[in-house]
Amino acid sequence: TQLLEQSPQFLSIQEGENLTVYCNSSSVFSSLQWYRQEPGEGPVLLVTVVTGGEVKKLKRLTFQFGDARKDSSLHITAAQPGDTGLYLCAGAGGNDMRFGAGTRLTVKP
Amino acid sequence: DTGVSQDPRHKITKRGQNVTFRCDPISEHNRLYWYRQTLGQGPEFLTYFQNEAQLEKSRLLSDRFSAERPKGSFSTLEIQRTEQGDSAMYLCASSSGLAPGELFFGEGSRLTVL
Repeated sequence: TQLLEQSPQFLSIQEGENLTVYCNSSSVFSSLQWYRQEPGEGPVLLVTVVTGGEVKKLKRLTFQFGDARKDSSLHITAAQPGDTGLYLCAGAGGNDMRFGAGTRLTVKP
Repeated sequence: DTGVSQDPRHKITKRGQNVTFRCDPISEHNRLYWYRQTLGQGPEFLTYFQNEAQLEKSRLLSDRFSAERPKGSFSTLEIQRTEQGDSAMYLCASSSGLAPGELFFGEGSRLTVL
């Protein structure tokens, strides 16, 4: 079983602050995805990282895949209330996709 | 709208009843997944189809749970003799063979077992 551990579990910050959330595993993944989920809805794909050391940017969001393809981070610059949500990482290691428990982010105006 | 659709969105049932959820994936996607999500947790994998073949089942999927994808298009997830512990959001997702790790989720079916 490939376990994905996300930290922190909860994060509450003020608008304009920067933050980083983490996704760690003891397993190697062929790819890793980040999703954002709002209450009452399904997760929405943000990005896929495939290559060890890869960095991808999506506006104010920066995603990094660890060199060993076991971990990843998501950095948000100048967070806004619209960034509030549950951020999930998921790893592909076979036929199924496994998700972490998520980081619940609240950005206060 | 050509996204993943799930029906019903909400289901309230009494313990011991059977319930069935339907998922219509994105039409060109050959892979379909079912997940269960409880409050404060990430989605837990239940089962996976490639076309009509069910290729993987989680240990979470007890004998009261059954999933089908008879023609490789829509899928159903049935729970027999529901228990209060089955209360959760049941999520369906689909993906293409070109980007199998990139899942597109429906809005989920929320089950409440009284």
